[in-house]
Amino acid sequence: QSVLTQPPSASGTPGQRVTISCSGSISNIGSNTVNWYQQLPGTAPKLLIYTNVQRPSGVPDRFSGSKSGTSASLAISGLQSEDEADYYCAAWDDNLNGFRFGGGTKLTVL
Amino acid sequence: QITLKESGPTLVKPTQTLTLTCTFSGFSLSTSGVGVGWIRQPPGKALEWLALIYWDDDKRYSPSLKSRLTITKDTSKNQVVLTMTNMDPVDTATYYCAHGRYSYGSFTISIYFDYWGQGTLVTVSS
Repeated sequence: QSVLTQPPSASGTPGQRVTISCSGSISNIGSNTVNWYQQLPGTAPKLLIYTNVQRPSGVPDRFSGSKSGTSASLAISGLQSEDEADYYCAAWDDNLNGFRFGGGTKLTVL
Repeated sequence: QITLKESGPTLVKPTQTLTLTCTFSGFSLSTSGVGVGWIRQPPGKALEWLALIYWDDDKRYSPSLKSRLTITKDTSKNQVVLTMTNMDPVDTATYYCAHGRYSYGSFTISIYFDYWGQGTLVTVSS
């Protein structure tokens, strides 16, 4: 069981807005910043959101991150077929003195 | 332009030691706030962080694998090497290296991996 808990799956139709949650604890999300990664099938992960809400250059503003207390969320608006991928949250954990990924959420665009 | 590439054996036998090399370009591992991490992903499973080496040679390891891992850097060659001892079939995975950025302020640690290598599949089998 991951230190950061994500729903295993999520889905939406094109144009819809979907959110993916990431639940942690005071030692990780509650104390440190959260990132989100997108992994398209057969490819390396790509940084989507860093420092809770920041988007790297080139990431569409359809993707947004938020954090409250010991939880974080990734929102995708205007869902597109190419958004079908696995999404991972991640953060440093003070108790483990290590970096942690969530278990991943498989997003299906119906 | 930052690029990273993993290299090493594609097949190792159980109990052997795995040595992976990450060769990078476009940045210096002597720059403050920069690190290189290793992450793996078993087939069909989630990402798992393994180790991280910082610009100042500080090192961090996954607690569950710490006894088996060693990470080193050669700044002059732009390389980071990860060794993992006593390999087992459960260690079969795609291994990625990634460029990391670190900052600390107000008791908050910010670490993220913004550039990734393509990954290398390592199979552990006799």
